[in-house]
Amino acid sequence: EPEVTQTPSHQVTQMGQEVILRCVPISNHLYFYWYRQILGQKVEFLVSFYNNEISEKSEIFDDQFSVERPDGSNFTLKIRSTKLEDSAMYFCASIRGTGGQSNQPQHFGDGTRLSIL
Amino acid sequence: SQKIEQNSEALNIQEGKTATLTCNYTNYSPAYLQWYRQDPGRGPVFLLLIRENEKEKRKERLKVTFDTTLKQSLFHITASQPADSATYLCASGSARQLTFGSGTQLTVLP
Repeated sequence: EPEVTQTPSHQVTQMGQEVILRCVPISNHLYFYWYRQILGQKVEFLVSFYNNEISEKSEIFDDQFSVERPDGSNFTLKIRSTKLEDSAMYFCASIRGTGGQSNQPQHFGDGTRLSIL
Repeated sequence: SQKIEQNSEALNIQEGKTATLTCNYTNYSPAYLQWYRQDPGRGPVFLLLIRENEKEKRKERLKVTFDTTLKQSLFHITASQPADSATYLCASGSARQLTFGSGTQLTVLP
């Protein structure tokens, strides 16, 4: 079964540095998402992306964050000037997005654990 | 503001029993609810979706109900097994955004 893949599985970065988290969504999917899960807390929506633009973003997704689909397969999350509180699991997800996409289940990757020192 | 809440943080049951997990929502009327399973260090995995006009949905040992009067969804695992031990998340939203509850950690004891 096709799956969403994320790299790296674990990223350790010094505070203030920039990080790029990478995702390869399922190949025929059109909607892409990033979520964050701080240790012991709930999965929180960050941003959704469709047709090469942001569809929706949460309050968490401020100017520190950006997303990009640089080619036909990758979907990236960039975090600038990282802070200690950015330490979390970051999950990428995708849906097919055609024909009644509002209730399609999301397919998640296994995440990147980001540790800010 | 819209809220989706899962009642208990942890639930322990004996193998073979039925586990029942609760999801409540307030201040909105979701068109559907989704249930996911999350294992430690892994991403959520979709299990079931139920629409507001459906009272019940089944998949193998799993059953989900949706009560729009009580603003609640119940998730049942029958004949539970230790392998069912995980955190179960309910979620609702749209194609643009999915909002998750905090999850219920289920432990099935052998």
